[in-house]
Amino acid sequence: GIQVEQSPPDLILQEGANSTLRCNFSDSVNNLQWFHQNPWGQLINLFYIPSGTKQNGRLSATTVATERYSLLYISSSQTTDSGVYFCAVEGNTDKLIFGTGTRLQVFP
Amino acid sequence: EPEVTQTPSHQVTQMGQEVILRCVPISNHLYFYWYRQILGQKVEFLVSFYNNEISEKSEIFDDQFSVERPDGSNFTLKIRSTKLEDSAMYFCASRARTAEAFFGQGTRLTVV
Repeated sequence: GIQVEQSPPDLILQEGANSTLRCNFSDSVNNLQWFHQNPWGQLINLFYIPSGTKQNGRLSATTVATERYSLLYISSSQTTDSGVYFCAVEGNTDKLIFGTGTRLQVFP
Repeated sequence: EPEVTQTPSHQVTQMGQEVILRCVPISNHLYFYWYRQILGQKVEFLVSFYNNEISEKSEIFDDQFSVERPDGSNFTLKIRSTKLEDSAMYFCASRARTAEAFFGQGTRLTVV
């Protein structure tokens, strides 16, 4: 099956800093989503981005499907951005395969 | 905004007991899923459900697990005889055809 790797595994930032999270996948995909898991465990949809670039406020994402990677950019980070960020992909089967996540901690 | 709702938010059960986790997917969605996340680990696929039948299941989804859509709105996951290793967060998800999947807030299952 498709392998999904995320980097870095852990990231510690000071408030106001920018960051880039990466998601690599091993095969072509039909769907790619980014999620933020908040401290209460909820999975919050950030982007549905099988290809191209999208922006939502301080967050943006780019997926280069032909090169099998996606990037999530967080600008001017805030303490509320803390949590785990997951990339999940769907290949030829009808299910999302999650990466291992990037744990982000933002300190004031 | 429509959302996927799960109940209960937290359940504690004794080993060997049956549990039923409940989900109300988004109303016009056709595809339904259960995932689980053991504490500190990644989210794992359990089962997908479409057109009133299982379309795919993982190795985790053994004979102790079953899913049902008993009426037009609910989607349930039953674990017949819980084990300690079933302790996890269970997520329900739904989506329309070839579109973004939306997840419920999760049910934290603790088996003691």
